[in-house]
Amino acid sequence: AQKVTQAQTEISVVEKEDVTLDCVYETRDTTYYLFWYKQPPSGELVFLIRRNSFDEQNEISGRYSWNFQKSTSSFNFTITASQVVDSAVYFCALSEKAAGNKLTFGGGTRVLVKP
Amino acid sequence: GAGVSQTPSNKVTEKGKYVELRCDPISGHTALYWYRQSLGQGPEFLIYFQGTGAADDSGLPNDRFFAVRPEGSVSTLKIQRTERGDSAVYLCASSVHRGLQETQYFGPGTRLLVL
Repeated sequence: AQKVTQAQTEISVVEKEDVTLDCVYETRDTTYYLFWYKQPPSGELVFLIRRNSFDEQNEISGRYSWNFQKSTSSFNFTITASQVVDSAVYFCALSEKAAGNKLTFGGGTRVLVKP
Repeated sequence: GAGVSQTPSNKVTEKGKYVELRCDPISGHTALYWYRQSLGQGPEFLIYFQGTGAADDSGLPNDRFFAVRPEGSVSTLKIQRTERGDSAVYLCASSVHRGLQETQYFGPGTRLLVL
């Protein structure tokens, strides 16, 4: 069975600080996909990144970066030089090829960036 | 282009009543998903459509919940004999489907409150 754990329920930082969100997953499938979504106060889930299990290359997109490590089953997300607009709940999600297209989400991490 | 739309945005009903929630996917997306998000938790999968047929309904909690997608576009989630525990945000997502775990794009959700 697939499972996603986001151990940090809430993180509070001051603007311009870096913040790293942890995501640990469990799967028995060798082919799977990992995702991060952002849910701002408006409530809509916004897609950030998709990574497949065969691509462990880390990725950077502007102030966002992702560290995928299969050896520790982790897919961590870092926001560099945080801004107030980054305040939101962030979800990590997993999709196993064998289980079809459904996403299994973690419990989410609430990030509060104070000015 | 237009994103996933959901109506109504909010629905208040009384225990025991019947409700219908509507989802209009992104044009050209053949796959459609329903999730339920309770307060403070990550979304949980309910059902997935590929075209008109339900490819995976393993997440529906019981037989009070039913969903249709008669023409392969708009979908309706139907809840009979609503209970207070059904109160949640119901999220719809859509994706193209090329046999891979394509990225799911979410709508703004319908917030259901059962009194």
